[in-house]
Amino acid sequence: GAGVSQSPSNKVTEKGKDVELRCDPISGHTALYWYRQRLGQGLEFLIYFQGNSAPDKSGLPSDRFSAERTGESVSTLTIQRTQQEDSAVYLCASSLTANSYNEQFFGPGTRLTVL
Amino acid sequence: KNQVEQSPQSLIILEGKNCTLQCNYTVSPFSNLRWYKQDTGRGPVSLTIMTFSENTKSNGRYTATLDADTKQSSLHITASQLSDSASYICVVSAQGYSTLTFGKGTMLLVSP
Repeated sequence: GAGVSQSPSNKVTEKGKDVELRCDPISGHTALYWYRQRLGQGLEFLIYFQGNSAPDKSGLPSDRFSAERTGESVSTLTIQRTQQEDSAVYLCASSLTANSYNEQFFGPGTRLTVL
Repeated sequence: KNQVEQSPQSLIILEGKNCTLQCNYTVSPFSNLRWYKQDTGRGPVSLTIMTFSENTKSNGRYTATLDADTKQSSLHITASQLSDSASYICVVSAQGYSTLTFGKGTMLLVSP
């Protein structure tokens, strides 16, 4: 596709439920990133994938958060037993490689609301 | 700890006026600095990138400056337009790392 796409655009769930967020990166981009953006806050790094290397999970806030990526394509971010503090916009980005000189192209985000 | 601080937190200007946004960082060792524009409900879009050896970079009406000695950057917007209303985010990367440090952004509102 022309850009990074994410689905769903909005997700409302009840506390304690599991949610899955999807990201489709730009074709050919080997690096994929997940970020969280709470209201009025800066982006927080969660996890990134580079090709077939082990992902950098250093930003995941708890073991309720996990992410997978199939090859160099789609990625899913899973949040188990959601809590109200998980409410945020979850942004996905992709770049040619994980080199910081390469621009990260962002998707529109998924707005998650945990009631 | 790597940090990026932006000021002001928010700004309102009249259409056609200029403005300057500030960014101070403590990221080390420094690799590069980007300014992103984030429209409401959209993902951020890169405006400029500067490395250690660059002290100014322009993209249309946007001009970014970098002082690597004082670890400060600014984004100057000339002849503002209503479409410039957005959050402007300063993002700094450290050498050898693929992860980025984001500022909280400056929310700019251009008023008619």
